[in-house]
Order: sequence, then structure tokens, then C-alpha cells
Amino acid sequence: QLQLQESGPGLVKSSETLSLTCIVSGGAINWNNYYWGWIRQPPGKGLEWIATLYDSGSTFYNPSLKSRVTTSVDTSKNQFSLRLTSVTAADTAVYYCARLCLHLEDSSFDAFDIWGQGTMVIVSS
Amino acid sequence: SYELTQPPSVSVSPGQTASITCSGDKLGDQYAYWYQQRPGQSPILIIYQDTKRPSGIPERFSGSSSGNTATLTIRGTQSMDEAEYYCQAWDSTTVVFGGGTKLTVL
Repeated sequence: QLQLQESGPGLVKSSETLSLTCIVSGGAINWNNYYWGWIRQPPGKGLEWIATLYDSGSTFYNPSLKSRVTTSVDTSKNQFSLRLTSVTAADTAVYYCARLCLHLEDSSFDAFDIWGQGTMVIVSS
Repeated sequence: SYELTQPPSVSVSPGQTASITCSGDKLGDQYAYWYQQRPGQSPILIIYQDTKRPSGIPERFSGSSSGNTATLTIRGTQSMDEAEYYCQAWDSTTVVFGGGTKLTVL
């Protein structure tokens, strides 16, 4: 059974860069029918999409975060990563990675069907 | 920007039917997805493509869509269904989440 596990520092200083990794186990990260995603949730608030990715050439970012976000995929380690630069207190959140299914008919995006347990990141001043 | 609107809260008595709506200008042309998030846990996909239920999701959860509104219905609501529910749709390649609905089982 596919599982996702986020990892990274739980505390990041303001203005620095947040780096997280999602380790995929129980399946290959480069399956053709799946993309991968990052979603975050500030304390007491709703879900906010950050990025969708397949590989370095197929990435989609939330326009509100695009200038500060980069993602990457390491197929040799079966993991993908998120970097968010110039963080502020507003970036304090639980960060989730998730698997994104594709429609078989036209490969358009479908549902986030498997989620990691999430990792809390606090941005300190 | 595209927005999905959900009621902030819905209350239901145990055993009764709860309905949570999600409205958006483009929902008539797009599928809606629903996620359940219990306190302290990760979201779980409970409805995809408006009406489909993933394996393992109880039959009491169902989804429907009409016009620009998608609806999540929970029949025979149980105390374990008390959670936050989020709808989600696609605006081309952009993910849009609704603000979430807190379901309280009184």
C-alpha cells in the first residue's frame, strides 16, 4: 500500500527557506497515472494548495506562492521536495504531501487520493 | 480568482441526514471532490468526480451535483462523522479548495 511521509525541520526562521521532502513508499514515484502535490493548512484554517508536480518539467504552482516555490523529484530516492523561500509567520502551517490521480481518458487532473500525515512547520522571528 | 463557497458549519442529530453544499461558478463544468478531515488527522478523499466513492468509504456518504452546486450527503450520520469537510475542484491546472464545513453531530 502506497504511503507518503513528509520530513523536514519543524522550525524555520523568518526570511529563510523552508525545505521539505515527501518520501514515497510502497510504489514507484514515476508511475504514469499519477502526479504529486503539496498542500498546507495554517493552524485553525482551511486547506491551501501549494504545488502539483510530476517531474521538473511538469510543475504547477499556486499563483500566490509561485515566486517563492520550487519543487523537485528524485526518482532514485523515490521522493519529491518543496522549497519555499523568504518565509514569514504566514507560512506557519501543517504541510501535507499527497498523490494526485489522473483521469485515464484524457490524463487531466483528478483527486488527491492518498495523503501523508503532515508535518508542522513553525516560522519563528 | 475562482472560489468555492461552503457553509462554515452544519449540525445534525445522530442517525439523521446531513447535507453540505459547495457552490462555484465553474462547478457546472467541473467535477467536485470531497475530503473529510477529523481533528488532528490528514484529509481523506471521500467523494471524487461528483458522485464516486473510493474503496473503503461507507455507503452513507454520497455526492451529487446540479448546476453550480455540489452536495455531500451523509445518511444515518454517526458521531464518528463529526469532522471538517472540504470540497475541491480544478480551475484548469489550479487546485481550488472550499473554505471547509464543520459538521457537528449533536
